Amino acid sequence: EDQVTQSPEALRLQEGESSSLNCSYTVSGLRGLFWYRQDPGKGPEFLFTLYSAGEEKEKERLKATLTKKESFLHITAPKPEDSATYLCAVQASGNNRLAFGKGNQVVVIP
Amino acid sequence: EAQVTQNPRYLITVTGKKLTVTCSQNMNHEYMSWYRQDPGLGLRQIYYSMNVEVTDKGDVPEGYKVSRKEKRNFPLILESPSPNQTSLYFCASSPSSRSSYEQYFGPGTRLTVT
Repeated sequence: EDQVTQSPEALRLQEGESSSLNCSYTVSGLRGLFWYRQDPGKGPEFLFTLYSAGEEKEKERLKATLTKKESFLHITAPKPEDSATYLCAVQASGNNRLAFGKGNQVVVIP
Repeated sequence: EAQVTQNPRYLITVTGKKLTVTCSQNMNHEYMSWYRQDPGLGLRQIYYSMNVEVTDKGDVPEGYKVSRKEKRNFPLILESPSPNQTSLYFCASSPSSRSSYEQYFGPGTRLTVT
């Protein structure tokens, strides 16, 4: 069974204080790892897809990286508008289902 | 505007009263899916559809039915709702399961079963 574990569950950051979120996964052959952002009361919003170890993707203050066992979402010099829950999901090879982690809730304090 | 719409957004019902939550997308996407989100459990996939007339179970399909008669619509049916189906439901669509899996999510339907 595919498993996705995200840590820490919750994180409070001062504005400008860079940090990283972790997504550890167990899957029988990774087809893709995905990061989403979810604001309170809204549906998740797609951020990145990573396919193979060593791959990196960037978008504004966010950078996602992938190893064979985990992915990191680095938040550089965060702003209050980066406050959200960040969700990680994996898709296994030969599988059309997505398994989500429980999320990293990030609060950035001005 | 490209979007996924769900109706209703909020629903309070009683145990056993059949209900349908509609989902529609205007992006000609092949793949559609339903999720439920519960505190402490995260997002869990209920059913998904690879294309018209092709549906399959996700991780928590018990108590739910779906159909995909048209490409744009993917309704979620609860034949006999129970209180443990109280949850926040999301519909999502993607160009293809073989694509980058950039799923577009709807705004959510908050269901309460008493």
